Amino acid sequence: DQQVKQNSPSLSVQEGRISILNCDYTNSMFDYFLWYKKYPAEGPTFLISISSIKDKNEDGRFTVFLNKSAKHLSLHIVPSQPGDSAVYFCAASDLNQFYFGTGTSLTVIP
Amino acid sequence: DSGVTQTPKHLITATGQRVTLRCSPRSGDLSVYWYQQSLDQGLQFLIQYYNGEERAKGNILERFSAQQFPDLHSELNLSSLELGDSALYFCASSAGTGGWDGELFFGEGSRLTVL
Repeated sequence: DQQVKQNSPSLSVQEGRISILNCDYTNSMFDYFLWYKKYPAEGPTFLISISSIKDKNEDGRFTVFLNKSAKHLSLHIVPSQPGDSAVYFCAASDLNQFYFGTGTSLTVIP
Repeated sequence: DSGVTQTPKHLITATGQRVTLRCSPRSGDLSVYWYQQSLDQGLQFLIQYYNGEERAKGNILERFSAQQFPDLHSELNLSSLELGDSALYFCASSAGTGGWDGELFFGEGSRLTVL
């Protein structure tokens, strides 16, 4: 049973525009949420995280929003750059382990 | 560089064979996680060890086993290999076991091809 879902397998965005990647989860016990970025032939790298006690966390061009009532989080990338083209994984954590979504492949078109 | 080292990077073997994948976690990290990524699939959690003890188990097949040694490195053993076992196997480490104990740091993966 997939506890973390990314329903959009792919997304294409023009350079300079906003990229919005979405993620839904089912377990209300998750207390920590993360986004990872993965380039081909490399391991996923940590991008940004948010605690369940917050609704927004910003780091440069990347902002993560958390809506606990909807069990939904999103990653905003503004402005999008060609180097942002990668697969983005959403993850959620409880005290025991991390649960990953299936990923969204972002393509930023120059 | 995440600080997590995985060997080998690539491995080609035949059905029915057995292989061992090795992972050295980041210095100081006590948890090691193993994930499988098959073609067009997400990261499937296999198993987690914390300070030498099995902590959590995911969708790990009975043909697969793992362990974490006293020096905290971990090995994933895959036996009676089938074509469907071809995948990228990632190891990740973290300081704790989840939540605010710290995020996961991933190795570059071991690509297994079963012919």
